[in-house]
Amino acid sequence: DQQVKQNSPSLSVQEGRISILNCDYTNSMFDYFLWYKKYPAEGPTFLISISSIKDKNEDGRFTVFLNKSAKHLSLHIVPSQPGDSAVYFCAASEGTSYGKLTFGQGTILTVHP
Amino acid sequence: AAGVIQSPRHLIKEKRETATLKCYPIPRHDTVYWYQQGPGQDPQFLISFYEKMQSDKGSIPDRFSAQQFSDYHSELNMSSLELGDSALYFCASSLRRGENEKLFFGSGTQLSVL
Repeated sequence: DQQVKQNSPSLSVQEGRISILNCDYTNSMFDYFLWYKKYPAEGPTFLISISSIKDKNEDGRFTVFLNKSAKHLSLHIVPSQPGDSAVYFCAASEGTSYGKLTFGQGTILTVHP
Repeated sequence: AAGVIQSPRHLIKEKRETATLKCYPIPRHDTVYWYQQGPGQDPQFLISFYEKMQSDKGSIPDRFSAQQFSDYHSELNMSSLELGDSALYFCASSLRRGENEKLFFGSGTQLSVL
């Protein structure tokens, strides 16, 4: 039972263009959502998060959008850079268990120079 | 800046053996989380500790146990190892502060059960 789904296993983007990574969830109790980035041989690194009371959060080149009615969130990276090439995980938590995360399967982003 | 330290980085065991994974959180962090990531899978939450007490439990097998010590480091003990236990085990630490809690992950321990 995959409660957080990233349906695109991979995404390829040209440097300078926008990268859009998508994530869907099924558990309506989730109220906090995060994106993590992972390089090979390293642990996931926190990127950006959003609470269910918001529909957008921005941090530099990264923006996360949340559509609660559709149970969908997306991460926009503008402009994309080759150093952004990594695996991106969407994650969610519910209630006060902020660190008990349910992860998606991950999307491999490749940004070409 | 100090990060989360996990040891060992790699571990090879035979079936039915035991293994102990160690995690040293970032100084002053009070919470530790353990996650298991199987090949080609997403990380799965196993267990967490806050101030040396178990705070949450996920899909952790009964063969596994964990604890957080007085110096806040944590150990994951795995007994009667099975082939399916082969995975990357991540530890993460945080300073519990509600919605702004951010997890910092270690580089993981790659366990291979032969």
